[in-house]
Amino acid sequence: ETGVTQSPTHLIKTRGQQVTLRCSSQSGHNTVSWYQQALGQGPQFIFQYYREEENGRGNFPPRFSGLQFPNYSSELNVNALELDDSALYLCASSLSQDGIYEQYFGPGTRLTVT
Amino acid sequence: SQKIEQNSEALNIQEGKTATLTCNYTNYSPAYLQWYRQDPGRGPVFLLLIRENEKEKRKERLKVTFDTTLKQSLFHITASQPADSATYLCALAGAAGNKLTFGGGTRVLVKP
Repeated sequence: ETGVTQSPTHLIKTRGQQVTLRCSSQSGHNTVSWYQQALGQGPQFIFQYYREEENGRGNFPPRFSGLQFPNYSSELNVNALELDDSALYLCASSLSQDGIYEQYFGPGTRLTVT
Repeated sequence: SQKIEQNSEALNIQEGKTATLTCNYTNYSPAYLQWYRQDPGRGPVFLLLIRENEKEKRKERLKVTFDTTLKQSLFHITASQPADSATYLCALAGAAGNKLTFGGGTRVLVKP
């Protein structure tokens, strides 16, 4: 069984640029959630995809967008990057969208915006 | 707005002792409370889940309590070991979905 994988591992971008982060969910999981984790803080929910549809969104502006593909892998896109977007971006998959299911996190993508 | 508080101060504990971590929340009625462990540079790893109608849950050396009246969960690591050193995160989820709202985490350092 393959766990959750994310790419790339690290990324350096300039303010104003756009970035796409990728996530492969664990086998059999149809729900993917994305989180942003600033240094020394807990992860903050960005949005969730369930069976290719957005299924809830946190307090993030529209320049944060996503996609989920038929194989349940997912992308996070961030436009017009700002310095405050520098963080660890975590993807998590789960068996379904219900609260009883734990989430399996990937190792994260470390994004640095200069 | 929803607020989840964990002790931001690191917990230093001697090997073999019990570590107790606190998670307090306000303006929230979670259906589930989950605890995760996070090592530096890695994603969180699920440890335990407790439902709103459960008072206590155990798994090996871990014990979680959930008091919906006090709006508090306690997380215990008994017979702590240096390998238990990590940051521990509590997270709340509603009944409608598993969007997780995390606390800031508490770092635990177990000294041999």
